[in-house]
Amino acid sequence: NAGVMQNPRHLVRRRGQEARLRCSPMKGHSHVYWYRQLPEEGLKFMVYLQKENIIDESGMPKERFSAEFPKEGPSILRIQQVVRGDSAAYFCASSAQGAPSPLHFGNGTRLTVT
Amino acid sequence: DQQVKQNSPSLSVQEGRISILNCDYTNSMFDYFLWYKKYPAEGPTFLISISSIKDKNEDGRFTVFLNKSAKHLSLHIVPSQPGDSAVYFCAASALIETSGSRLTFGEGTQLTVNP
Repeated sequence: NAGVMQNPRHLVRRRGQEARLRCSPMKGHSHVYWYRQLPEEGLKFMVYLQKENIIDESGMPKERFSAEFPKEGPSILRIQQVVRGDSAAYFCASSAQGAPSPLHFGNGTRLTVT
Repeated sequence: DQQVKQNSPSLSVQEGRISILNCDYTNSMFDYFLWYKKYPAEGPTFLISISSIKDKNEDGRFTVFLNKSAKHLSLHIVPSQPGDSAVYFCAASALIETSGSRLTFGEGTQLTVNP
């Protein structure tokens, strides 16, 4: 399966813990995007990364959230000190080139904060 | 500020009939438009796209129409099949150097195709 791989599929954290979400883009893709879908809402852009660079993080909350896409390995979305409002589905997408091209999405990580 | 809007949260059609899903946008910088389909517990799947230099793009049962003056696009599915039942998202992007293929999504329309 050469699609976008996200893990874990489900993640449960208590308030105050850290959440780490991983994303491996499609083979040959070097552009990664993270989106969040809150219950009953559409997908909201969070951050756009290329290898070792954050290109656009205008959708990221200013505190507790960070993202990286290292030279080797998957992209990581990290949420520190989670709160109940962070409960959502987090989707990663990748593309082969900057623009314009369709994004290919993974099946998401469903984060539940208890 | 919702730059891409899908005003119908749901749509129900009979199998074999046409499904028409609508989408409006406000940002005149958008120049590339896409439709995605999403099943529960899965990620969105790309369906069809259209560039702003066109007004129609067709792929099998799916056709997307773009009316730039009205800032409106629509997705036609004909004939509709029960397997088409899903949430459909409209998305748009602007060719800005730093945005890559960043997409702005609408809220989605739940399509139900009844046998």
